[in-house]
Amino acid sequence: KAGVTQTPRYLIKTRGQQVTLSCSPISGHRSVSWYQQTPGQGLQFLFEYFSETQRNKGNFPGRFSGRQFSNSRSEMNVSTLELGDSALYLCASSSISNTGELFFGEGSRLTVL
Amino acid sequence: DAKTTQPNSMESNEEEPVHLPCNHSTISGTDYIHWYRQLPSQGPEYVIHGLTSNVNNRMASLAIAEDRKSSTLILHRATLRDAAVYYCILRPDQTGANNLFFGTGTRLTVIP
Repeated sequence: KAGVTQTPRYLIKTRGQQVTLSCSPISGHRSVSWYQQTPGQGLQFLFEYFSETQRNKGNFPGRFSGRQFSNSRSEMNVSTLELGDSALYLCASSSISNTGELFFGEGSRLTVL
Repeated sequence: DAKTTQPNSMESNEEEPVHLPCNHSTISGTDYIHWYRQLPSQGPEYVIHGLTSNVNNRMASLAIAEDRKSSTLILHRATLRDAAVYYCILRPDQTGANNLFFGTGTRLTVIP
């Protein structure tokens, strides 16, 4: 079955702009998590959605937001972009199992100029 | 959140076994030990997980200390494709615990 799909794979924005990233989870997976990866901070949890509700949130400013649709697809949005938002944004989906593994997409690489 | 400690880097010769250690002295009774790896230019990939008993799958083996304060990921025959950053993560046994703390991981270099 198809894996986690993230679009776009690469994008360049300028400071002050906003960006929307999309994630399609594995079919049947209802949980979608978002992570930010930077060379300095590593992989950091942004938020998780399950059945269209945010279930967990990491320690990021309110400029970072997300949502999940009824088909489990998810989007994340970053407003008023800053240079420090340049990163690889990873989406992961999982089944409802308490110990289930996360399946990651290849990520969306955002560069803010 | 309980954290893990891993060496920053390790090297292994191709086709040799590799033992990647992880310390998690503050692990709680309901924490599962998960391992992920991240190959260059890819998202992390699940490797294996366990609670108390040693576990084997097609990718690796996981050896868990009796007191659960440490564990070791074992790659039986390293290949060049195994060169990656390996993350040892504690995951509570509860619904919605997908806010994983990845830490810095161990960068494994495989020497041909």
